[in-house]
Amino acid sequence: EVQLVETGGGLVQPGRSLKLSCVASGFTFNNYWMSWTRQAPGKGLEWVASITNSGGSTYYPDSVKGRFTISRDNAQNTLYLQMNSLRSEDTATYYCTREERTRYYWYFDFWGPGTMVTVSS
Amino acid sequence: DIQMTQTPSSMPASLGERVTISCRASQGISNYLNWYQQKPDGTIKPLIYYTSNLQSGVPSRFSGSGSGTDYSLTISSLEPEDFAMYYCQQYDSSPLTFGSGTKLEIK
Repeated sequence: EVQLVETGGGLVQPGRSLKLSCVASGFTFNNYWMSWTRQAPGKGLEWVASITNSGGSTYYPDSVKGRFTISRDNAQNTLYLQMNSLRSEDTATYYCTREERTRYYWYFDFWGPGTMVTVSS
Repeated sequence: DIQMTQTPSSMPASLGERVTISCRASQGISNYLNWYQQKPDGTIKPLIYYTSNLQSGVPSRFSGSGSGTDYSLTISSLEPEDFAMYYCQQYDSSPLTFGSGTKLEIK
C-alpha cells in the first residue's frame, strides 16, 4: 500500500524558514517524480514544486521560485521542501504527492494527508 | 499561466441525480486535463486523468470528456460518498494549475 506521510509543519514567523519532510512507503521511491502541492485555508490547490526521480532536476512556479527548494533522499525514501523567506501567503496545508507520468499522462496519483504551515507573527 | 475556470462553484444535488461539472481553460490544453476529489477530511484522490481515463478503483459512475478549452466531469448517479469538492487541473504547460473547485452539496 502506497503511503505518504508529511511532517514538519507548524507556526513560523514571517521571514523565517521551515523544512517539511515526506516519508514514502509501499512503492519503489526512486522510480517516481515527486511533488509538493499546497492549499491555503478555504482556498483551492496550488502546485508548489516537482523533482525528477533521480533528483537531478527541479521545477517551481514563480510564486515560490528562489525561496523554496525541493529535494529527495532516495536511500531514505524521503522527500523534502525547504521553505525560506516565508510570507503570510505561504500559510497552507502542504501535501506530498507522487506523480504518475507517461508520454500523455501526468497526474498526482497519491496524496499524503498534509501538514499545516502557518506563517504569522 | 493557464487559468482554469470551474463552474459552478457549488452545486446542491440529490442522491441518484446526474450531475456535470465544467472546467474551461484560458487556452487550448490538448486534453491534458485531470480531475481530483477532496473529501471533507482533506483526503484527495485522482478520479480522471488525460480527460477521460478512469483512475483505478474509481467507480464507473464517474466519467470525463472534453477537448480544446472545455472539459467536464459527470457523475451518472450520485452516491452519499460523492458529496465533496472537485478540482480540475491542467498539465499542458507549466505552471500546473488547478480550477477553483466545485463543492457538491446535498440538496
